[in-house]
Amino acid sequence: AQSVTQPDIHITVSEGASLELRCNYSYGATPYLFWYVQSPGQGLQLLLKYFSGDTLVQGIKGFEAEFKRSQSSFNLRKPSVHWSDAAEYFCAASGGYQKVTFGIGTKLQVIP
Amino acid sequence: EPEVTQTPSHQVTQMGQEVILRCVPISNHLYFYWYRQILGQKVEFLVSFYNNEISEKSEIFDDQFSVERPDGSNFTLKIRSTKLEDSAMYFCASSELSYGYTFGSGTRLTVV
Repeated sequence: AQSVTQPDIHITVSEGASLELRCNYSYGATPYLFWYVQSPGQGLQLLLKYFSGDTLVQGIKGFEAEFKRSQSSFNLRKPSVHWSDAAEYFCAASGGYQKVTFGIGTKLQVIP
Repeated sequence: EPEVTQTPSHQVTQMGQEVILRCVPISNHLYFYWYRQILGQKVEFLVSFYNNEISEKSEIFDDQFSVERPDGSNFTLKIRSTKLEDSAMYFCASSELSYGYTFGSGTRLTVV
């Protein structure tokens, strides 16, 4: 069955520190991959997406993600976290026009 | 940038009442979806719609739910007789195969 795993439910980082949020997927073929961010009570904002090509994808707000086929991973990174990055982050995957399968989400807390 | 528009942003309804959630997908998109997110939980797929018919639905999408594209622009989700457990954020999304998904900002449904 298709699945997306985010092993870290909650992560706390200091402002200015680097961030890496983990995501693994299980799909029959290489899926389309996404990272979304959600602030409390708000909608889903697309940070970045991977369809094919360069395995390092740049997104908005200084985020990037690297697709690693051998590890079935699509980890999200940011070199220096800002307090405004505190939110919930969802990794998601799709087989194209098919439904999107979401991970359970990782809540990011940023401390001064 | 094109947006998916959802109305209303918040709806309160009494248990047993019918509700219709409205969405205006991006105009050149062909695939439409509804997802829901119960408070504090992951985003779950409900239904996908293509070429004026349901292409896939989850086990959540039972006989109480229906979708419709009544004209060339709107895409609606109807819940016939709401239950307390239907309280959630409902997200509409649309996609064009080569472009990826765009989610609306959601409708928060509260059943009292």
